[in-house]
Amino acid sequence: GAVVSQHPSWVICKSGTSVKIECRSLDFQATTMFWYRQFPKQSLMLMATSNEGSKATYEQGVEKDKFLINHASLTLSTLTVTSAHPEDSSFYICSATYRGQETQYFGPGTRLLVL
Amino acid sequence: QQPVQSPQAVILREGEDAVINCSSSKALYSVHWYRQKHGEAPVFLMILLKGGEQKGHDKISASFNEKKQQSSLYLTASQLSYSGTYFCGTEGAGGTSYGKLTFGQGTILTVHP
Repeated sequence: GAVVSQHPSWVICKSGTSVKIECRSLDFQATTMFWYRQFPKQSLMLMATSNEGSKATYEQGVEKDKFLINHASLTLSTLTVTSAHPEDSSFYICSATYRGQETQYFGPGTRLLVL
Repeated sequence: QQPVQSPQAVILREGEDAVINCSSSKALYSVHWYRQKHGEAPVFLMILLKGGEQKGHDKISASFNEKKQQSSLYLTASQLSYSGTYFCGTEGAGGTSYGKLTFGQGTILTVHP
């Protein structure tokens, strides 16, 4: 149980284009989803917290206009990287949790390469 | 603030034991431990809650000292499959930290035959 999927797993795009990453909870209703970014050989850095039906809460230093998060339903959250640049290339990972559960369940991650 | 993990890296032979420490400068509600293999997402190992007991399953266990704001992960009789980077994620006590994890910088564990 508690499976989280992400799509796509890999994306390569040109600088200036927008990329959408989906995060789905497959067998539970996720009341909260988290988006992380991880650069090579570094730790996971929380970008934003997303609750179903409400606006995402962004961490300090994360541009909300560049990283658009939509938590449209209890099983789906999307992260859109707008006008992507090479410095946005990273490993983006989502996690999800549900009411009464302390554990965060991670998706498999999406590797983004901006050329 | 990011918790501090030590050591940064450990190299073991199969069957040896290891301890990974995680220390925070702020009061904690919980500590989560994850293992990440190269190119993959983190995999949940265990969670320790404030006021809770020491956790463990199989040969991996962990403790949480709330007063010292520290947690330790114990790996005994290590196996090749234990290789990876171990992260602790801490959740602050109270306020706006609820549910949010701050991860340490990671400890790279390598187990050789």
